[in-house]
Amino acid sequence: QQQVKQSPQSLIVQKGGISIINCAYENTAFDYFPWYQQFPGKGPALLIAIRPDVSEKKEGRFTISFNKSAKQFSLHIMDSQPGDSATYFCAARAGSGNTGKLIFGQGTTLQVKP
Amino acid sequence: DSGVTQTPKHLITATGQRVTLRCSPRSGDLSVYWYQQSLDQGLQFLIQYYNGEERAKGNILERFSAQQFPDLHSELNLSSLELGDSALYFCASSPGYGGETQYFGPGTRLLVL
Repeated sequence: QQQVKQSPQSLIVQKGGISIINCAYENTAFDYFPWYQQFPGKGPALLIAIRPDVSEKKEGRFTISFNKSAKQFSLHIMDSQPGDSATYFCAARAGSGNTGKLIFGQGTTLQVKP
Repeated sequence: DSGVTQTPKHLITATGQRVTLRCSPRSGDLSVYWYQQSLDQGLQFLIQYYNGEERAKGNILERFSAQQFPDLHSELNLSSLELGDSALYFCASSPGYGGETQYFGPGTRLLVL
């Protein structure tokens, strides 16, 4: 119930292509869904986030699609660039806003080939 | 640079030992979070402090403890270390207790031999 399942584990995309990473959850009490980007040797950094009352959120080349009934959400990276090569984590907040406890997916290593 | 600092950057120690990891949050942030990142377990939430008080607890082992001091810096104490405790330990901070934007530090890499 406290899990977030992320797929694929790794992804290779050509420059200019679309990268899609999927996550699924079971706990309907999760109320906030961020995506974090992590480069080697660095800490994760918040990329984009969404609340369950919104079906889509777009920031530049990054879009989150959220399907509340299916309990799934995904990250789309349009026009993928070599600089996007990193590990991406989806997460869900457990605690209804009273805490910042985040449950993370296992991560997806993205490689964008020039 | 997130504004969160962690020391030390690397730590090598032996099984059975005790270590202390230190974190200074971004200026003005009242919440501090500790996460453990390992290859097999991924990124795991350990504990959250908000303005000196424990706010949330994850799967933190009894051998591990943390505290947040009046100046808001935090320490994570790991004792009776085992090989399996080898991991990256991240500290994050956020302004409030809801943690909607958590700023992660660069991490402390712990190696237990």
